[in-house]
Amino acid sequence: RKEVEQDPGPFNVPEGATVAFNCTYSNSASQSFFWYRQDCRKEPKLLMSVYSSGNEDGRFTAQLNRASQYISLLIRDSKLSDSATYLCVVNHLTGNQFYFGTGTSLTVIP
Amino acid sequence: DVKVTQSSRYLVKRTGEKVFLECVQDMDHENMFWYRQDPGLGLRLIYFSYDVKMKEKGDIPEGYSVSREKKERFSLILESASTNQTSMYLCASILDRAGEQFFGPGTRLTVL
Repeated sequence: RKEVEQDPGPFNVPEGATVAFNCTYSNSASQSFFWYRQDCRKEPKLLMSVYSSGNEDGRFTAQLNRASQYISLLIRDSKLSDSATYLCVVNHLTGNQFYFGTGTSLTVIP
Repeated sequence: DVKVTQSSRYLVKRTGEKVFLECVQDMDHENMFWYRQDPGLGLRLIYFSYDVKMKEKGDIPEGYSVSREKKERFSLILESASTNQTSMYLCASILDRAGEQFFGPGTRLTVL
């Protein structure tokens, strides 16, 4: 079973739409959770960390559900510039390794 | 401005060649990582290092080795390149495990 699983999409949404991505993780010992954004032919960059209480950064909201072992990312009022691949990342504090999902592709359409 | 640099953006090598990929970070980070990224498979960890001269295998270390002689530099070595090592290689560094990974721009390696 994969450590981290994401729906690859693609998600094609109109400008202004709200879109949500989910990511499930298999190891209940996972301690740190992140969403990264990767533009085409570029390196991944941190979008936001995910905290147990949930957190918001402008139009982006991340939530963690430990009982069901998933994290989510909600994007409100989508912009053309949000078009990218969104990577879910998990870390077990028992080791130094980070586990990446395969990414969810988002295209925001004018 | 924090920075991770990689020695080449694009590299073309022949089967059997020895290949060196260099990564340098200027953030004084202890932890450094080498990943490869392939369509449909995402980022997979090859090796990581949590200190100078220390290294640990990731999920796919076969066919690779690494060197960390200085804190800022982490090298990935393909001892004898093969066509199935054609991929995008990404280096990253991190201050601590709860923090942000900073990635280099990547090296797209083609092995013919």
